[in-house]
Amino acid sequence: NAGVTQTPKFRVLKTGQSMTLLCAQDMNHEYMYWYRQDPGMGLRLIHYSVGEGTTAKGEVPDGYNVSRLKKQNFLLGLESAAPSQTSVYFCASSLGDPIFNEKLFFGSGTQLSVL
Amino acid sequence: SQKIEQNSEALNIQEGKTATLTCNYTNYSPAYLQWYRQDPGRGPVFLLLIRENEKEKRKERLKVTFDTTLKQSLFHITASQPADSATYLCALDLFSGGYNKLIFGAGTRLAVHP
Repeated sequence: NAGVTQTPKFRVLKTGQSMTLLCAQDMNHEYMYWYRQDPGMGLRLIHYSVGEGTTAKGEVPDGYNVSRLKKQNFLLGLESAAPSQTSVYFCASSLGDPIFNEKLFFGSGTQLSVL
Repeated sequence: SQKIEQNSEALNIQEGKTATLTCNYTNYSPAYLQWYRQDPGRGPVFLLLIRENEKEKRKERLKVTFDTTLKQSLFHITASQPADSATYLCALDLFSGGYNKLIFGAGTRLAVHP
């Protein structure tokens, strides 16, 4: 049981390049999330999904797109990377709606540097 | 706007003492609050959840309190050990955009010295 797996673990991009971060979970969770973590700012929600085929914007969605074509996968795309997107990205999943006190399971993160 | 505040300065304590971390929030009325532990280079790991109608929750050496009047949660680690050294994050539920989400504080780094 791997839990939440993120790939890649590290990536360096040049300004303007594009890339996709992949998140996979094997716990049959309905909800999935993408957060970014910057020093002193904590985890900020980028986009999330409440089920296969659905996505919604979080606190800081600009410059990112997501897709949830399969229940177990949640992809985060950067179409034209900018230095401000240098961060550590975490994917998380939960069994259901947080209103039911659901805890989040996190992946180990992707460290992205945009030069 | 909603805000979650955790002490940005690291907390340094001696092994065996009780560590107390604070989480304050404004402009929220959360139904519950969660605490997570994060080690360097790793994702956060869930520790405890406390609901708005609960004053205190315990799990082994961990204790969490929740004061909705003060808008504050305290996280205690008793008989602390060097292995407890990590960053601790609090998170609250927020209902917006038609869904509930968890919003995190920036975390407090705890260092337990032998």
